[in-house]
Amino acid sequence: DAGVTQSPTHLIKTRGQQVTLRCSPKSGHDTVSWYQQALGQGPQFIFQYYEEEERQRGNFPDRFSGHQFPNYSSELNVNALLLGDSALYLCASSSGGGFGYTFGSGTRLTVV
Amino acid sequence: AQKITQTQPGMFVQEKEAVTLDCTYDTSDPSYGLFWYKQPSSGEMIFLIYQGSYDQQNATEGRYSLNFQKARKSANLVISASQLGDSAMYFCAMRPFFDQGGKLIFGQGTELSVKP
Repeated sequence: DAGVTQSPTHLIKTRGQQVTLRCSPKSGHDTVSWYQQALGQGPQFIFQYYEEEERQRGNFPDRFSGHQFPNYSSELNVNALLLGDSALYLCASSSGGGFGYTFGSGTRLTVV
Repeated sequence: AQKITQTQPGMFVQEKEAVTLDCTYDTSDPSYGLFWYKQPSSGEMIFLIYQGSYDQQNATEGRYSLNFQKARKSANLVISASQLGDSAMYFCAMRPFFDQGGKLIFGQGTELSVKP
């Protein structure tokens, strides 16, 4: 039973560029949440998708956007990258309003 | 404001000994869930244990137990018989029940090092 799959695992981008990160949820899960984890910090909630709609959003600018597909997979897009966007981006899946969150191993984004 | 505080940036423990990692939380919601996760260097968040705010008994999962003191708003993780593989970052997190979005609020984490 595959868990949460994130791609790519590592990424280097230049300031001002745009990036797309991908997440496939655990089998049976229909809800995807995205978190940003800066070095030495705890994860910060970006947003959550359920039924292809953004259900909740954290305190992140509009440069951060997302999408959920009919197969429940999700993308996180970040436009106009800043050096401060360098972080580990974690995807977590769950089922509906349940409390059983499964995390992926993350995508480590470096902005230079 | 909803907040998780972990005051121990780093902890050391001798192999086979027990260790307690501290976590305090702040919320005005009457119902909430508390979680502990382990994050090894690979980056994945591994679920360890869960405690609901209305649970009467402290949660236990194998070598992990949660010392839940609701009046003090603390949810400390106790790891018994530490193993070398327990060396990792540990995060305490909270989810208010009435938060329909289901976001988790994390603390800053504690880095645990187990000495042989």
